[in-house]
Amino acid sequence: DGGITQSPKYLFRKEGQNVTLSCEQNLNHDAMYWYRQDPGQGLRLIYYSQIVNDFQKGDIAEGYSVSREKKESFPLTVTSAQKNPTAFYLCASSDRRAGELFFGEGSRLTVL
Amino acid sequence: GENVEQHPSTLSVQEGDSAVIKCTYSDSASNYFPWYKQELGKRPQLIIDIRSNVGEKKDQRIAVTLNKTAKHFSLHITETQPEDSAVYFCAASNRGSQGNLIFGKGTKLSVKP
Repeated sequence: DGGITQSPKYLFRKEGQNVTLSCEQNLNHDAMYWYRQDPGQGLRLIYYSQIVNDFQKGDIAEGYSVSREKKESFPLTVTSAQKNPTAFYLCASSDRRAGELFFGEGSRLTVL
Repeated sequence: GENVEQHPSTLSVQEGDSAVIKCTYSDSASNYFPWYKQELGKRPQLIIDIRSNVGEKKDQRIAVTLNKTAKHFSLHITETQPEDSAVYFCAASNRGSQGNLIFGKGTKLSVKP
């Protein structure tokens, strides 16, 4: 089955700890994205990558970091510098920028 | 940059009635307008999209209209069913310049049986 897999689905973190969210796709898409979803805020872009070894900041990149070492993988690290990290995180991919987005099932991060 | 406003934030209708969700955008260069549906606990999925060279597009009970002059576009759902209950997001982008999708804040639609 082709698609996007995010893990873990639920994650708890203590303040001051970094945490990495995994995103893997087997759709052979060049572009990958990370969005943050908060109630009433819609989907806000954190980082995106059009091609391997290249990525760009989105609208709310502060406190986050990414890497794109493989076409299939685009992990997101939520660092201790992110002031309000508790949220639902969605990874997505597309076969071209601004094409149809295919989303993963999301990861819910809770900071205790 | 692009800004997308979406209204209403919540919408409740009776089964069988129509539902309309409206979005406005700010960047006149935007030319691609998709709509995503997110059911409770699930991932967003594309349900319909429209490009700026088209004024209206229909797919069974769902239709989208675009007014480029006024810079707004709308989602119309006819004969609503309980399974239409979800959060709907509009978005806009400039595909020519490969701009990223900018999403509205979403509309929670509840269809009461």
